[in-house]
Amino acid sequence: RKEVEQDPGPFNVPEGATVAFNCTYSNSASQSFFWYRQDCRKEPKLLMSVYSSGNEDGRFTAQLNRASQYISLLIRDSKLSDSATYLCVVNDDSGGYNKLIFGAGTRLAVHP
Amino acid sequence: DVKVTQSSRYLVKRTGEKVFLECVQDMDHENMFWYRQDPGLGLRLIYFSYDVKMKEKGDIPEGYSVSREKKERFSLILESASTNQTSMYLCASSPWTGYYGYTFGSGTRLTVV
Repeated sequence: RKEVEQDPGPFNVPEGATVAFNCTYSNSASQSFFWYRQDCRKEPKLLMSVYSSGNEDGRFTAQLNRASQYISLLIRDSKLSDSATYLCVVNDDSGGYNKLIFGAGTRLAVHP
Repeated sequence: DVKVTQSSRYLVKRTGEKVFLECVQDMDHENMFWYRQDPGLGLRLIYFSYDVKMKEKGDIPEGYSVSREKKERFSLILESASTNQTSMYLCASSPWTGYYGYTFGSGTRLTVV
């Protein structure tokens, strides 16, 4: 089983739609969770951290369910500029070193 | 803003060549990482370093080595490039705790012919 699993998509949605991405992780000891955004042929950039109580940043809402080892990202009122790949990221500090494990990403295409 | 700079955006090398990929960060971060990214496989960790002269193997270290002689610089070395090392290589850095995520360089797209 992959350490971080995401639906690869693509999700094709019209402008203004609400879209949700899900992610599951295998390490129950993970403490830090993030969503990264990656545009085509560019590097990943941190979109938002995910906190236990859930958190919101404008049109973006992230949720964490530790019991189910599940993370979600909700995008409301989609814009054309939201088209990108969204990476679910979980920390792993086994072996005494803290490092991040990246999902393979979910591709979003927003069309007019 | 943290800047992570990778020396080359695109590289084309021949099979068997020794290849050096350089990465420099300017925020005094302790941690530095090298990933490769391939379609459908996501980011895979090659090597990482938590201090000067310190290195640890990631998930796919075979065919690679690294060097960290100074805190700000982390080099990835392909000892003898092969076609299956054609990929996008991404360097990242983070503060010691790593709980604030990583900052990535813009990547080096390496083609081995």
